[in-house]
Order: sequence, then structure tokens, then C-alpha cells
Amino acid sequence: AQKVTQAQTEISVVEKEDVTLDCVYETRDTTYYLFWYKQPPSGELVFLIRRNSFDEQNEISGRYSWNFQKSTSSFNFTITASQVVDSAVYFCALRGDPGTYKYIFGTGTRLKVLA
Amino acid sequence: EAGVTQFPSHSVIEKGQTVTLRCDPISGHDNLYWYRRVMGKEIKFLLHFVKESKQDESGMPNNRFLAERTGGTYSTLKVQPAELEDSGVYFCASSFSVQETQYFGPGTRLLVL
Repeated sequence: AQKVTQAQTEISVVEKEDVTLDCVYETRDTTYYLFWYKQPPSGELVFLIRRNSFDEQNEISGRYSWNFQKSTSSFNFTITASQVVDSAVYFCALRGDPGTYKYIFGTGTRLKVLA
Repeated sequence: EAGVTQFPSHSVIEKGQTVTLRCDPISGHDNLYWYRRVMGKEIKFLLHFVKESKQDESGMPNNRFLAERTGGTYSTLKVQPAELEDSGVYFCASSFSVQETQYFGPGTRLLVL
């Protein structure tokens, strides 16, 4: 069975602090995809990143970075120098392969960045 | 390019009534998905259309839910009759192909009283 666990329900940080959101996944598939989505107060799910299971390189995009470690089945997301606009609910998701197109989501982590 | 749109944004109905949710995917996306988030839990898959055909409806909770995608463009999700446990946020997503990333709409917040 596939599963995504986001153990942190809610995190509060002060602006300019760094924060890491944890994501642990379970799958028996050898090929799979991992995603992060952001849900700001407006409600839509905004795509942030997609990573396949064969690419373990860490990725950096501006203040955002992702650490993918197959050895620990984790795909953690770090925001550097957080800003109030980063306040949102962040979801980690998993898609197995082949023939499985549905995403398995975690329960989300609510991030509050305080000014 | 317009993203995935959903209508209505909010709906409040009484138990036993019928509600129809609509999703317009990104233009050119043959794949359309419905998901639901109930009571702050995880977002769960409901079903997947490829054009007008249901590819996977393994996540549909019961026969009170009916999804259609006539003509392979927009999709509707009807709940009839609605029950209290149907309350939640219903998300629609679309992708160009099954291998491509799914892009989500803003969701419809359904409250059944």
C-alpha cells in the first residue's frame, strides 16, 4: 500500500527563520513520483515541484529547496528566510507507477509565518 | 492560459438535497481528476477521466456520487442525496497526459447541514 505521512500538523515561525516541512512516504513501486503543493488562503493547490524516484539530486528554487532521500523514504521541503507570504498549507503527494495515476496525499502541514 | 476552474466556490445545502459541482480543466487537457478533502484529513482521489471515459473510479465513496464528462470537456460531480459526511472540499485537477503533472483548481467547499 502507498502512504504519505506529514507528521507536522502545524508549524509557526517568525519571519526570516528557516523552516523544514517533513514528508515520509511508503511505496513498493520502484518507479514513483513525489510532489509538493502549496495551498494559500485563497484555496487553490499550487504545484511546487515534481521529482521522480531515479533522481535523488536535491533541488533549489530561490528560497525553496527539497531534500529527497530514498534511504529514509523522505522528501523534505525547506524554506529559507521565510516570509509572511509563505503562510499556507503544504501538501506532499506520491504517485506510483505503472498504471497508477492517482495521487496519494499527506494530511498537510499548516505553516504560519509571523511578522 | 487559464487554469482549472471550479464552480461554485462554496455550497451550503441540507441533508437530502442534491448538489452538482462543475470543473473546467485547462484547455487541451484530456485527463481530468476529482479529489476530496474531508474534515482536515488527506486529499483523497475520487476518479479519473480520459476524455469522456471513466478510467478509474475506485475512489468514489458510493452510488450517491455521479460524475460525468460529456464531450470530454468540462465535468460535473453530482451528489444525490447529500449526507452530512459528504461535507468537505472537492478539488478538480487536469493533466495533458497521464504522465504529466496534475494541476489543481481552487476547490468547491461543500457543507451539508
